[in-house]
Amino acid sequence: EVQLVESGGGLVQPGGSLRLSCAASGFTFSSYEMNWVRQAPGKGLEWVSYISSSGSTIYYADSVKGRFTISRDNAKNSLYLQMNSLRAEDTAVYYCATGATRAFDIWGQGTMVTVSS
Amino acid sequence: AIRITQSPSSLSASTGDRVTITCRASQGISSYLAWYQQKPGKAPKLLIYAASTLQSGVPSRFSGSGSGTDFTLTISCLQSEDFATYYCQQYYSYPTWTFGQGTKVEIK
Repeated sequence: EVQLVESGGGLVQPGGSLRLSCAASGFTFSSYEMNWVRQAPGKGLEWVSYISSSGSTIYYADSVKGRFTISRDNAKNSLYLQMNSLRAEDTAVYYCATGATRAFDIWGQGTMVTVSS
Repeated sequence: AIRITQSPSSLSASTGDRVTITCRASQGISSYLAWYQQKPGKAPKLLIYAASTLQSGVPSRFSGSGSGTDFTLTISCLQSEDFATYYCQQYYSYPTWTFGQGTKVEIK
């Protein structure tokens, strides 16, 4: 079964850090580009970051550039998002997502990140 | 950056109705547009990509059309399981993406 499972979310104070993980199974992870997408409570979807299949190409949304770092370990079939200098507006459910086309047909269940004092 | 304007933000409809949701891009994006369905507490589900290609397993009552700047998602005969929020997404600017603001389809 094709599956993405996120973990690592939780409550963190403003200015703090958190590392999210996404474990992939059921497909050849190393062949797929990967993304993080987030959704603030009651709000719409926002693309956050992209990493190529090899990890050599990375992009970020302006809202997280300089604070978040995406990475992957193809040997462990895992994707990561290191989040530093967290702000209240980073509070959201974070999804990892991918697909064979440039649309996202594989999504994880999401992990909640709450930034609050 | 490419902006996507989705409308309406919400609509009320009855089972059996035909429903249309539109997305307009701030510049031409060819056919690089996808549509998603999201139910409360769940991850989005891909319905359509390349503006009009139905994702495998998606019922044929869903259809997409358009190219350039104007796109439409149509649900031909609304079913109870279709009450959800729908998002469009452009990927012309790959590898960056932009989503529309969402359309909540509610029961009348």
